[in-house]
Amino acid sequence: AQSVTQLGSHVSVSEGALVLLRCNYSSSVPPYLFWYVQYPNQGLQLLLKYTSAATLVKGINGFEAEFKKSETSFHLTKPSAHMSDAAEYFCAVSDKGFKTIFGAGTRLFVKA
Amino acid sequence: EADIYQTPRYLVIGTGKKITLECSQTMGHDKMYWYQQDPGMELHLIHYSYGVNSTEKGDLSSESTVSRIRTEHFPLTLESARPSHTSQYLCASSPSNRGAYEQYFGPGTRLTVT
Repeated sequence: AQSVTQLGSHVSVSEGALVLLRCNYSSSVPPYLFWYVQYPNQGLQLLLKYTSAATLVKGINGFEAEFKKSETSFHLTKPSAHMSDAAEYFCAVSDKGFKTIFGAGTRLFVKA
Repeated sequence: EADIYQTPRYLVIGTGKKITLECSQTMGHDKMYWYQQDPGMELHLIHYSYGVNSTEKGDLSSESTVSRIRTEHFPLTLESARPSHTSQYLCASSPSNRGAYEQYFGPGTRLTVT
């Protein structure tokens, strides 16, 4: 069975500071992993995905994530936060079948 | 422009009413999904479809029904709305080609049942 755990329902950073959003997964098969972003009153938008190629994945808006099999982690980072990054972020895992399991989300606040 | 649409965006309706939430995509995707989203919770899959005339219930028990008569259209119907149905409903689609498991989401319908 697959599962996703996002550590921290809320994360607050100052503008220009490092963003780190944590995600740990459980999967019985090599997974596909995703990060999605949701802005207020919108649906989810794909930020980046890991598909068993390079372990460091670069996405849109300057975000990247590193797949660490030994730690079963797929943390999302951005070197310098911008006010426009304030949103909710969801980590997700797929077993390459039909279903995708989403985490509970982490709301990112960016302080001026 | 390829996209996925949901209507209405917001709906307030009384208990016992029948409602249909619309979802359409212009990307030609075979797979489509309905999720229920509540604040601070995981997205819960309530229905999915592999293609035309194929529908399945998801992990979360739901009193809603869906149909898939055309590839681009995947409406969700509640025969008798109740306050417990108050939630945000997200529609998504995904291509069938190998290695492409990401999903594309619509903007959502926020439903309030009074």
